[in-house]
Amino acid sequence: QKEVEQNSGPLSVPEGAIASLNCTYSDRGSQSFFWYRQYSGKSPELIMFIYSNGDKEDGRFTAQLNKASQYVSLLIRDSQPSDSATYLCAVSPYNTDKLIFGTGTRLQVFP
Amino acid sequence: DAGITQSPRHKVTETGTPVTLRCHQTENHRYMYWYRQDPGHGLRLIHYSYGVKDTDKGEVSDGYSVSRSKTEDFLLTLESATSSQTSVYFCAISESGTGGRYTEAFFGQGTRLTVV
Repeated sequence: QKEVEQNSGPLSVPEGAIASLNCTYSDRGSQSFFWYRQYSGKSPELIMFIYSNGDKEDGRFTAQLNKASQYVSLLIRDSQPSDSATYLCAVSPYNTDKLIFGTGTRLQVFP
Repeated sequence: DAGITQSPRHKVTETGTPVTLRCHQTENHRYMYWYRQDPGHGLRLIHYSYGVKDTDKGEVSDGYSVSRSKTEDFLLTLESATSSQTSVYFCAISESGTGGRYTEAFFGQGTRLTVV
């Protein structure tokens, strides 16, 4: 079992819709969770981080964490073509200094 | 932008030759990471460092070694490059937060390495 798993996609949504990206992780003691966006040929850039169960909102983005079910999700409201990118979930497993990434989900927002 | 510089940005090398990639930071962050990124595999952790001279292996460490003699520099060495090590290599830095949590990682621009 991979430590962090994501559906590779592509996930295709129309402009203005809500895009929902999901990530599951294997280490129940993980405490730090991150979502990154990566455009083709570029470095990953942070969108959001979340530490506690529940929702965290920042503009059009909402991160949701459910530690009991070991998943973290990212919702993008009012999706724009400029949101088309690969979204990477990252988790820091318990009692390690590692930061482990999933394989990423490619999002396509069409006009 | 976080102060992270990777060098070189592009390199073509021959099979069997040694290669060293450099990551330099100006943020004084404790943690430094080397990842490789390949299609279908996402970012895979090669090695990481949690302080000067303190390093540990990641998921795909075979064929790679690292050194960190100063806070600001983290070197990745391919002792004898192979074609399977053709990839894009990213360096990242982060800092520890409170309660076992970590702050976000910032990434360098990446190094595209081709082994022929």
